[in-house]
Amino acid sequence: DIVMTQTPLSSPVTLGQPASISCRSSQSLVHSDGNTYLSWLQQRPGQPPRLLIYEISNRFSGVPDRFSGSGAGTDFTLKISRVEVEDVGVYYCMQATQFPYTFGQGTKLEIK
Amino acid sequence: EVQLVESGGDLVKPGGSLRLSCAASGFTFNNAWMNWVRQAPGKGLEWVGRIKSKTEGGTTDYAAPLKGRFTISRDDSENTLYLQMNSLETEDTAVYYCTTGRGSCYYWGQGTLVTVSS
Repeated sequence: DIVMTQTPLSSPVTLGQPASISCRSSQSLVHSDGNTYLSWLQQRPGQPPRLLIYEISNRFSGVPDRFSGSGAGTDFTLKISRVEVEDVGVYYCMQATQFPYTFGQGTKLEIK
Repeated sequence: EVQLVESGGDLVKPGGSLRLSCAASGFTFNNAWMNWVRQAPGKGLEWVGRIKSKTEGGTTDYAAPLKGRFTISRDDSENTLYLQMNSLETEDTAVYYCTTGRGSCYYWGQGTLVTVSS
């Protein structure tokens, strides 16, 4: 199975400041079709997960442009340009290149 | 608007069975690949399995530890996804989410809670 490792596991951030979460996979996430199926999900307290970013850098419908994704191969990053109160929650990276799909452990974003 | 509504979660004894349902609307269900993902209390996300659209074979894939106990199926006439769970163990206690998409989990339901306890 592909292991997804996120850092940090906890990220206290000041409102209005940027935040960054890293995700590393144990194998390349480039699929045989040429795409890289790396997504980022947000889970606010008491809510189901919500897709933010798919295929490394594509923002999903309705996602604010302060969220951005980047990376390639085995190293990926989610950036929030200016953290807002509504961004508090747990963030997961997920790979869907190879079965079984796997998730990172989650990074808890909290306000300082 | 895409909606996914899970149901069927309950308290069940170890060794018991349960069938979860996910009613879908707002998109062309019969063309969609569908997934089940679960989350144990206070823990992270775990992918359970996936079913392709019938036009693409309707095949299923499962997380290895669950294969043989869990079965995913679909009824395109009812726009409904199912998860049949047998020989349930206490470690299967979780919120179960249905999600849609290939290459990612684009839309998520609110989840249904399964508790396995004697």
